[in-house]
Amino acid sequence: ETGVTQTPRHLVMGMTNKKSLKCEQHLGHNAMYWYKQSAKKPLELMFVYSLEERVENNSVPSRFSPECPNSSHLFLHLHTLQPEDSALYLCASSQGMVGELFFGEGSRLTVL
Amino acid sequence: GENVEQHPSTLSVQEGDSAVIKCTYSDSASNYFPWYKQELGKRPQLIIDIRSNVGEKKDQRIAVTLNKTAKHFSLHITETQPEDSAVYFCAASRDNFNKFYFGSGTKLNVKP
Repeated sequence: ETGVTQTPRHLVMGMTNKKSLKCEQHLGHNAMYWYKQSAKKPLELMFVYSLEERVENNSVPSRFSPECPNSSHLFLHLHTLQPEDSALYLCASSQGMVGELFFGEGSRLTVL
Repeated sequence: GENVEQHPSTLSVQEGDSAVIKCTYSDSASNYFPWYKQELGKRPQLIIDIRSNVGEKKDQRIAVTLNKTAKHFSLHITETQPEDSAVYFCAASRDNFNKFYFGSGTKLNVKP
């Protein structure tokens, strides 16, 4: 595997479920990001990790909980979500905090 | 915070014609402006970027112009081809920090 991979690609969950999204990067980068992509809206930055330390939490509700155990892996833990949280969640990585973002293909989340 | 507006939201051109997508930003301290292309069902990928110390940058059929005074930048695609059909996102960031503010996207359709 090369690049940035995300699993699962599709997830359907109820409002009371707990699930996690996983992201893995094989590029040797040291910064990782979670973005939310909703229809006809700008990409919204949720979290930024640099060298496994969270450096940005963009006013995201606590029902989204990120985890970065090492520089290659990033998780987004989900619990008691709302239907409006249905979206495509994109993970990205970069080398340092400057320049090109390398995105994964996203996890399509549907909250019933 | 920064506010990036992107126009048009949809653009349809004939193969071989040119396409122009425009973005405005509000934070005069923004100094890095990338453009990402997202094909249907695929991940966003960087196609070109520009920093605030230059006014124009070109890469084959793609060019980006920046007007710092007016706080707007544009993507120009010449001799469009069907494979240029995608959603294009502009973004802005400041202080060499990868906290990007994205536009809402332009869906480009190139008709053969």
